[in-house]
Amino acid sequence: DAKTTQPTSMDCAEGRAANLPCNHSTISGNEYVYWYRQIHSQGPQYIIHGLKNNETNEMASLIITEDRKSSTLILPHATLRDTAVYYCIVKGASGGSEKLVFGKGTKLTVNP
Amino acid sequence: GAGVSQSPRYKVAKRGQDVALRCDPISGHVSLFWYQQALGQGPEFLTYFQNEAQLDKSGLPSDRFFAERPEGSVSTLKIQRTQQEDSAVYLCASSLSGPQPQHFGDGTRLSIL
Repeated sequence: DAKTTQPTSMDCAEGRAANLPCNHSTISGNEYVYWYRQIHSQGPQYIIHGLKNNETNEMASLIITEDRKSSTLILPHATLRDTAVYYCIVKGASGGSEKLVFGKGTKLTVNP
Repeated sequence: GAGVSQSPRYKVAKRGQDVALRCDPISGHVSLFWYQQALGQGPEFLTYFQNEAQLDKSGLPSDRFFAERPEGSVSTLKIQRTQQEDSAVYLCASSLSGPQPQHFGDGTRLSIL
């Protein structure tokens, strides 16, 4: 019962920015947006999360719209190693289910 | 620092055998989760511990599946009388409390023959 919608697949040229969109129109006020990615044969890797402010770390930037109904994960300079399935997940901080509900994600292919 | 460690990395069992999968969480993480990932699908939640207490086991598919975390650290997922549909990757994740993210191990790939 994923509460997010993502494109099935995207392509990006190596060295360019990859912008991965996610819609979460039913997000509640206390729910965070989390991004994970999964490379074949590995477990999901945490990328970044945010509540309402934009966030940046060494891996990526997260832009959340003012109404919080959508967000974009930005990989500023994509490399071939960024080819993976990217999952956008919405989850509350406390007082409810702690589990992550994964949808189908976006298969990002970075091309040389 | 050390991440979440799972063992074995691969497990092959005959239908009907019992299996036990181990998870060593990140030191100090109070929350521990088990997920099942079928081929080509996203991970699906199985169960959740906070310290030694199993607070949510709603995702366990049948009473053949059992998980424990007796001392609030290492956890074991046990599957009794395995069936072919149990073939999947079993992922373990751990986290601090609150909004802190879950960190995953690389999973155990279980194949039931």
